[in-house]
Amino acid sequence: NAGVTQTPKFQVLKTGQSMTLQCAQDMNHNSMYWYRQDPGMGLRLIYYSASEGTTDKGEVPNGYNVSRLNKREFSLRLESAAPSQTSVYFCASSEVVTKPGELFFGEGSRLTVL
Amino acid sequence: AQKITQTQPGMFVQEKEAVTLDCTYDTSDPSYGLFWYKQPSSGEMIFLIYQGSYDQQNATEGRYSLNFQKARKSANLVISASQLGDSAMYFCAMRRRSGAGSYQLTFGKGTKLSVIP
Repeated sequence: NAGVTQTPKFQVLKTGQSMTLQCAQDMNHNSMYWYRQDPGMGLRLIYYSASEGTTDKGEVPNGYNVSRLNKREFSLRLESAAPSQTSVYFCASSEVVTKPGELFFGEGSRLTVL
Repeated sequence: AQKITQTQPGMFVQEKEAVTLDCTYDTSDPSYGLFWYKQPSSGEMIFLIYQGSYDQQNATEGRYSLNFQKARKSANLVISASQLGDSAMYFCAMRRRSGAGSYQLTFGKGTKLSVIP
């Protein structure tokens, strides 16, 4: 049971470099999300996609872009990485009907920007 | 604005004892949901328990129960008979509708629970 799969799990970047975090889910969920987790801050929503073809900003979208490639895949791109983007990134998906809002998380991607 | 507050950065509990992790929330929506997630040191997020705002009874899932006091806007997690494996970060989260057929979860900052043998 794959669930939500994120790649890569670890990445080190230099300031100004770009990268894309990939996320795929196999649960046929409509909604997908990207969160970042920083010590003492909990999880904060970066972007979400309510359904294929739509994306919306969350609480902390600056410095990020997203693409909902299809129903399964939702990628997060850092165009010009900054040290403030050092964080653990979680992708999640949710099913509206059975338990609205419950998130199924990937294992997280730890990003360090030097 | 939606807000989740967890006032206990860290908690200690003796093995086999019960522990309560506090969570208060603020919302003007009549319909909302409250979740608790566990994050062990390995980093994954594990769903524990859910309470809907219209649910009449407090949610229970095995050793986990949610003490839901709607008037006080609190949704405390109670873990009975603590085990060493319960040592982890615990996050309270609240659901709100963000558009047609879409929801968001807002998370608290978490409580780190340490179970002492």
